[in-house]
Formats: sequence, structure tokens, C-alpha cells
Amino acid sequence: EAGVAQSPRYKIIEKRQSVAFWCNPISGHATLYWYQQILGQGPKLLIQFQNNGVVDDSQLPKDRFSAERLKGVDSTLKIQPAKLEDSAVYLCASSLDVVPKSGNTIYFGEGSWLTVV
Amino acid sequence: SQQGEEDPQALSIQEGENATMNCSYKTSINNLQWYRQNSGRGLVHLILIRSNEREKHSGRLRVTLDTSKKSSSLLITASRAADTASYFCATMNSGYSTLTFGKGTMLLVSP
Repeated sequence: EAGVAQSPRYKIIEKRQSVAFWCNPISGHATLYWYQQILGQGPKLLIQFQNNGVVDDSQLPKDRFSAERLKGVDSTLKIQPAKLEDSAVYLCASSLDVVPKSGNTIYFGEGSWLTVV
Repeated sequence: SQQGEEDPQALSIQEGENATMNCSYKTSINNLQWYRQNSGRGLVHLILIRSNEREKHSGRLRVTLDTSKKSSSLLITASRAADTASYFCATMNSGYSTLTFGKGTMLLVSP
């Protein structure tokens, strides 16, 4: 079974530039997540989709971050304009079921590493 | 916000020894999960324990959950150098299927 695919793996941009990350979840997975992981910390949820609807985006800095999940499959996370503190790993994850489900296992991609200089 | 808090922040042991990591959380949960993250890689799911379970085993892993104390522990027996990684506990809340992670424990297993 193919895992969660993310691209690009690495990106270096200057502050105030824009960047976009792409995620292809595991086939058939209804729920898709974007997490931000700053070095030395645990992942923090940015946004959660169920199919193509947003469930939780309470921690997404909406003045500069946006995300969409067209047709309930692939998703794109965009940052514009980037700040130095956005340097982090952006992890995409997916799970099979629509909430709530006590046995949900969430599968993560390898992450997209962003450095803002 | 991060709900789970792992303890210790860092742990250094020799191959063959057991490693125990603890996790405390604040609000009621649906389940608790443990993940491993090797340096520069994504998160790998290790084990899930539901709120009505007290103990679970998977290979060399043993997880316990005490909902009255809002705490969990992960025991890795007979550790190997390949177990060197960061370990995160994550809680799934009762409302949505959102995972909230702690800051992790860095485990170093020396040959």
C-alpha cells in the first residue's frame, strides 16, 4: 500500500516569498491533516479536512497560511508571505475513517522541510 | 496547544536495557497513540491504546494507560541501537479525530 506522499521534500526561500506544499493521502482515506513541526517540538495541527470540508483550522495563521483539498483527495498548503518563524517541517497525514472513530490510525508522510532565510 | 507531555525529555541507555517513557495529558481522550520519529524523517505509528484499555503489547513494546491519572507509559524492552529516535505520545480527543502531540522524548541507545 502506498503511503502519504509529499512534495517538495526540501525548500529554502527568502522571507516574504511564497511557497506551496502538496500532499497525496493514502487512497480512500477520508481525513487529511496538515501539521507543523518546529525543530525540537512535537507536531502542531494546522488544519484538518474530512473529504473536502474543513473540520478544524483553529490554529492556522489565516493571514498568511491557506490550504485546500480539491475533490476530497490531494491537498495543497500555501504560505504567503513567509516569515522566519515559519521554518519547520510540514507534515501531511491521513486516516481512513470519518470522525469519530476510536480506532483511527493516522499515517504520516515524510514531511516537507522549509527553511526561511 | 500541546496536551501530552513526555517525560523524560531525553534518555540515554545501553543496548539491551529497557527504556521507559511517560506521557501525561490534561483532558478526556478517545485513545492515545505513540509515534516514533527518526532524525529527518516522518512519524511512524507504533501503537494505539483505547481509553477503555489498560495495557497493550506489540513486539518489544508495552503501553499502559491510566485514565484516572491521565497518564501513559511506553516501555521498550531489550533496546537496540536502531531504536534511537524521538518518541511522541499523541492523544485523540473525544469530539473530533484530532491528534494532539507532546514535545517528545529523545531516546539514544548506545551499542
